[in-house]
Amino acid sequence: GAVVSQHPSRVICKSGTSVKIECRSLDFQATTMFWYRQFPKQSLMLMATSNEGSKATYEQGVEKDKFLINHASLTLSTLTVTSAHPEDSSFYICSASGSTGYNEQFFGPGTRLTVL
Amino acid sequence: EDKVVQSPLSLVVHEGDTVTLNCSYEVTNFRSLLWYKQEKKAPTFLFMLTSSGIEKKSGRLSSILDKKELSSILNITATQTGDSAIYLCAVNGLEYGNKLVFGAGTILRVKS
Repeated sequence: GAVVSQHPSRVICKSGTSVKIECRSLDFQATTMFWYRQFPKQSLMLMATSNEGSKATYEQGVEKDKFLINHASLTLSTLTVTSAHPEDSSFYICSASGSTGYNEQFFGPGTRLTVL
Repeated sequence: EDKVVQSPLSLVVHEGDTVTLNCSYEVTNFRSLLWYKQEKKAPTFLFMLTSSGIEKKSGRLSSILDKKELSSILNITATQTGDSAIYLCAVNGLEYGNKLVFGAGTILRVKS
């Protein structure tokens, strides 16, 4: 159980375009989903927390107009990187947490974004 | 400010060795500590610890929490090359909701 999928696994886009990444919890209802960013050889950096049906909470320094998050259902959250630039190139990982009470997070396989 | 510190930052061992990875934390109203293993993709869940002194074990991996010392260790016995990965420690506090604060990770490389 506790499987989280992410799509696409890899995307290459031109500067100025927008990219949407989907995160799905396949076998449980995710009351909360998280979006992380990871640079090579660094730890995970939390970008935002989203709860189903409400606006995402962004971490300090993360531009909410640039990284649009939608959590429309208990099994799906999307991250849209708008007007992408080369510095947005990174590994984006989502995780999902259910209602176990102890906050285990289960991670998706990640999306490698390269902006040319 | 809440923080998680892992040590060592990196480690190279030979197959068959035993390794101990450390995680210390400062967090308000601690609730849980989690260990993850990250290979080339996203982290996979290993253990969640909430109570002091109770060892959690899975095969050659085990972990224990010491709330008095605000720390946890992750042990791997009889290491194999497949254990090569980044090991991440994360903590959750009551005030975070479901958020986790991650340490920088320990890069483990097991040589054959």
